[in-house]
Amino acid sequence: QSALTQPASVSGSPGQSITISCTGTSSDVGNYNLVSWYQHHPGKAPKFMIYEVSKRPSGVSNRFSGSKSGHTASLTISGLQAEDEADYYCCSYAGSSTLVFGGGTRLTVL
Amino acid sequence: QVQLQESGPGLVKSSETLSLTCTVSGGSISSSSYHWGWIRQPPGKGLEWIGSIYYSGTAFYNMSLKSRVTISVDTSKTQFSLKLISVTAADTAVYFCARQGWGDAYSVIDCWGQGTLVTVSS
Repeated sequence: QSALTQPASVSGSPGQSITISCTGTSSDVGNYNLVSWYQHHPGKAPKFMIYEVSKRPSGVSNRFSGSKSGHTASLTISGLQAEDEADYYCCSYAGSSTLVFGGGTRLTVL
Repeated sequence: QVQLQESGPGLVKSSETLSLTCTVSGGSISSSSYHWGWIRQPPGKGLEWIGSIYYSGTAFYNMSLKSRVTISVDTSKTQFSLKLISVTAADTAVYFCARQGWGDAYSVIDCWGQGTLVTVSS
């Protein structure tokens, strides 16, 4: 059960769009449409942003969107805002009632 | 609105047992719609799922930690607990308790505690 692979960091200017990738295997991301994404401002509780690959919970801005192709899931944030600066984690169901997280991506808004 | 709060020692000696409790308020720990989980974040590193438990007592664990972890639930106290034996410095982390969904929503972690730092000392 290895961690999903995410880029360590991404950056973008206000108003731009960025995409964070999350690569797994046929045992997790590639086999289930059960990928979720979390926003984490250090020192605070993580916030649930996307579930089942592309669904947004109520209250989450439509600037956040998710997708998946093969073994790689992606989170896209459009119209970047200063408050989007945070760490982002993907999470996938990995079978047998277990979960696996990605290593996390630090988003910097320039 | 459901709230979760971790409690327990912030300092544990190497080779001893780490014990944390999560108290659930504002909602039922006996709901059939949720599992109750533990997640940790070592300093400077990413999140790691430790395991989860259903109100019935059925627990699931990260295979890499399974030999050392026990998660239990006490519905009468609306609490669930984590025990990690034989700790080392590698177990130093912020430990979060959280609410996970059931079924296809299992990967949905929609409510988190604030987290508690546990340091393992030699």
